Amino acid sequence: NAGVTQTPKFQVLKTGQSMTLQCAQDMNHNSMYWYRQDPGMGLRLIYYSASEGTTDKGEVPNGYNVSRLNKREFSLRLESAAPSQTSVYFCASSEDRGQQFFGPGTRLTVL
Amino acid sequence: AQSVAQPEDQVNVAEGNPLTVKCTYSVSGNPYLFWYVQYPNRGLQFLLKYITGDNLVKGSYGFEAEFNKSQTSFHLKKPSALVSDSALYFCAVRDPQGYSTLTFGKGTMLLVSP
Repeated sequence: NAGVTQTPKFQVLKTGQSMTLQCAQDMNHNSMYWYRQDPGMGLRLIYYSASEGTTDKGEVPNGYNVSRLNKREFSLRLESAAPSQTSVYFCASSEDRGQQFFGPGTRLTVL
Repeated sequence: AQSVAQPEDQVNVAEGNPLTVKCTYSVSGNPYLFWYVQYPNRGLQFLLKYITGDNLVKGSYGFEAEFNKSQTSFHLKKPSALVSDSALYFCAVRDPQGYSTLTFGKGTMLLVSP
């Protein structure tokens, strides 16, 4: 039981490049989330998915897109990376009203 | 809209002393409240939650939290701090009327000195 896994762990991009962050969970949770963590800002919700086939915007969705590929996987895409997207990205999952379980994070630097 | 405030960026305590990490919240209705801990270069780990019932909630690693509705607070406590408790602590709130998204505070760094 791996919980929530994220790939890659680290990534460096140049401004304008694109990439996809992958997330998978093996706990059969309906709900999945993407957050970004910046110093002094706490965690801010980018997008979430209540169930397979549905996605909704969070607090800071601009510049990102998501795909809920199936119940296990929820990916986050940066179409044209900007330095302001330098951050640590966390994926999480939960049962509908339970605690959230977090992945280990992806540290992204955009030059 | 719901919000969480953690008024202290950092809390310093000596090992063996009691510790408190403060959290206040704002939400319509009865809140669901959570504490998470983050060790360096790791994801967040769940510590404890308050949904309903007893105002004193016990969680992992000897931590507990006291829910105070009149003061809209949910402070994290531990009777005797350990050096290994040094980490970043986040309080979070969920609107019970809405979906299961959480709003996090900005975090409090706890430093326990030997």
